[in-house]
Amino acid sequence: AQKVTQTQTSISVMEKTTVTMDCVYETQDSSYFLFWYKQTASGEIVFLIRQDSYKKENATVGHYSLNFQKPKSSIGLIITATQIEDSAVYFCAMRNNYAQGLTFGLGTRVSVFP
Amino acid sequence: GGIITQTPKFLIGQEGQKLTLKCQQNFNHDTMYWYRQDSGKGLRLIYYSITENDLQKGDLSEGYDASREKKSSFSLTVTSAQKNEMAVFLCASSRQVNSDYTFGSGTRLLVI
Repeated sequence: AQKVTQTQTSISVMEKTTVTMDCVYETQDSSYFLFWYKQTASGEIVFLIRQDSYKKENATVGHYSLNFQKPKSSIGLIITATQIEDSAVYFCAMRNNYAQGLTFGLGTRVSVFP
Repeated sequence: GGIITQTPKFLIGQEGQKLTLKCQQNFNHDTMYWYRQDSGKGLRLIYYSITENDLQKGDLSEGYDASREKKSSFSLTVTSAQKNEMAVFLCASSRQVNSDYTFGSGTRLLVI
């Protein structure tokens, strides 16, 4: 069975700084896919970035990047130069080749202050 | 671009009532999903479908039925609403099973 754990319930940061969110996962499979999603205050959920387990290079999209540490089963999300509109709940999720859909963590609420 | 639409946005039901939630997507995505989001519990998979007329149970399927009669639509039925139940039901679609998801805006359910 898969499991995704986000230990940080909430994080507060000042605008234009960097925020890092943790996520650890459990899977028996050697091949799997990791995702980060953002849920805004309106409830909208959008896909941000993904990391496929066979790729060694950390994924980067815009001001989002990942810190993939496969031996530690860890996939951290880094947001640089944060903006007020980055305030949201961030979900880590994973899927292996045999699972039914994505398994999500409980989320980390990020608040960005001016 | 495309859109994924969930109806209704808000649903108030009575205990024991059968309630149906609908989801439509025009991405031509093969796979569609229903998730339930409770406060503080993240998203949990109820049902998913990899193609028209296919149905697969998720971890939370008990108490629900689903239907995928067309590729573009996926409906979810709460077979017997539980009193004081309050949750958001999220529909999503993806091009393939391992692709990222596009989510709908959700249906907020309240059972009185």
